[in-house]
Amino acid sequence: DAGVIQSPRHEVTEMGQEVTLRCKPISGHDYLFWYRQTMMRGLELLIYFNNNVPIDDSGMPEDRFSAKMPNASFSTLKIQPSEPRDSAVYFCASSPPASAGGLNEQFFGPGTRLTVL
Amino acid sequence: AQSVSQHNHHVILSEAASLELGCNYSYGGTVNLFWYVQYPGQHLQLLLKYFSGDPLVKGIKGFEAEFIKSKFSFNLRKPSVQWSDTAEYFCAVSLGGFKTIFGAGTRLFVKA
Repeated sequence: DAGVIQSPRHEVTEMGQEVTLRCKPISGHDYLFWYRQTMMRGLELLIYFNNNVPIDDSGMPEDRFSAKMPNASFSTLKIQPSEPRDSAVYFCASSPPASAGGLNEQFFGPGTRLTVL
Repeated sequence: AQSVSQHNHHVILSEAASLELGCNYSYGGTVNLFWYVQYPGQHLQLLLKYFSGDPLVKGIKGFEAEFIKSKFSFNLRKPSVQWSDTAEYFCAVSLGGFKTIFGAGTRLFVKA
């Protein structure tokens, strides 16, 4: 298996532009997570899906951020309009079906390094 | 509120020194426990996990962790660190409500 695939790996854009980050989870995984990582704030959970349905989006910073999962093999995270403070590494992760005790381990993608000028 | 605490934000060790990174969580129900490692410039990777059974779990690269339920702790240990262990280590707890909380991370620097 190729693991979690994210694209692009690097994105440089100007303030005000729309940014779309893409993620393909591991086949058979029914959980998908979007995280943001910065030096100042560490690793933050933005949103996660189960069976393509958003379960918890309380970490989405504001209305400029939106995420979709139209099918089991694809998800997008969109920022419109982008701002310099959105600069970060955005990770997508997927997880197999949960066990009785809770969620299983998450498999992280390589991340997208976003720079907003 | 449910939380995961990692006691040390930064740790500096010399090669061959022993390592113990603390992790405590606040949740009284059933949990799954994880330690992840993030090498410089890379993504998070699973080191080890505990779901049930023997509370002493062994992971990759000589790491182990012990779940002490009475202390709500899941500390990570390695008897002898190497320079290549320089990385950031994250403790994570999956709660019964199917939510995983990550700790703030501990940056380990191993001096050669």
